[in-house]
Amino acid sequence: GAVVSQHPSWVICKSGTSVKIECRSLDFQATTMFWYRQFPKQSLMLMATSNEGSKATYEQGVEKDKFLINHASLTLSTLTVTSAHPEDSSFYICSARDIGPSGIQETQYFGPGTRLLVL
Amino acid sequence: GQNIDQPTEMTATEGAIVQINCTYQTSGFNGLFWYQQHAGEAPTFLSYNVLDGLEEKGRFSSFLSRSKGYSYLLLKELQMKDSASYLCAVRGRPITGGFKTIFGAGTRLFVKA
Repeated sequence: GAVVSQHPSWVICKSGTSVKIECRSLDFQATTMFWYRQFPKQSLMLMATSNEGSKATYEQGVEKDKFLINHASLTLSTLTVTSAHPEDSSFYICSARDIGPSGIQETQYFGPGTRLLVL
Repeated sequence: GQNIDQPTEMTATEGAIVQINCTYQTSGFNGLFWYQQHAGEAPTFLSYNVLDGLEEKGRFSSFLSRSKGYSYLLLKELQMKDSASYLCAVRGRPITGGFKTIFGAGTRLFVKA
């Protein structure tokens, strides 16, 4: 299957700083990527849908000004957590969507995730 | 609104078949997803159903009935490595516009020898 990478795999930062997480599709072009967050022992939560060349679509309750998403190319989307605080500490995961030739079938390839700890 | 319900835990025996059910409510149904997640790892995508019926992929199959708001994930020939959490997610179109995807709490599957 296709490969999606995330960088960094983990990051520790001080409260108030900004952290950028990269998500790359290594062997296919992804017009759509998704960003998720997962707190310990909880399920996944979709934060936003990142569309190449256009603005991201944020889920209800997710602050767009705090979680900046840029999808400047078909293989790269970035998530920047601005002015991070301890409550932003979480497991951030991206996935890239691959729609088959029929345009109906959908597959997602996940990155390995980024663990963020804000002190 | 949207909601999803799936069992919290299930236990099955190696080599057996297990069915994990998921019921949901959403407006403007736009797809149902199943994911597998091992503890401490990112999830992996298993299936996407947007039309009624059964989708088979090797040992894993997923079924959808939109009229009943129901899906199941069927795992055959269970292996120990199938011990994981299985997440059901549904994407809908709120009347306010756009899409919204919600996830179930996950079903922890324990496969025993």
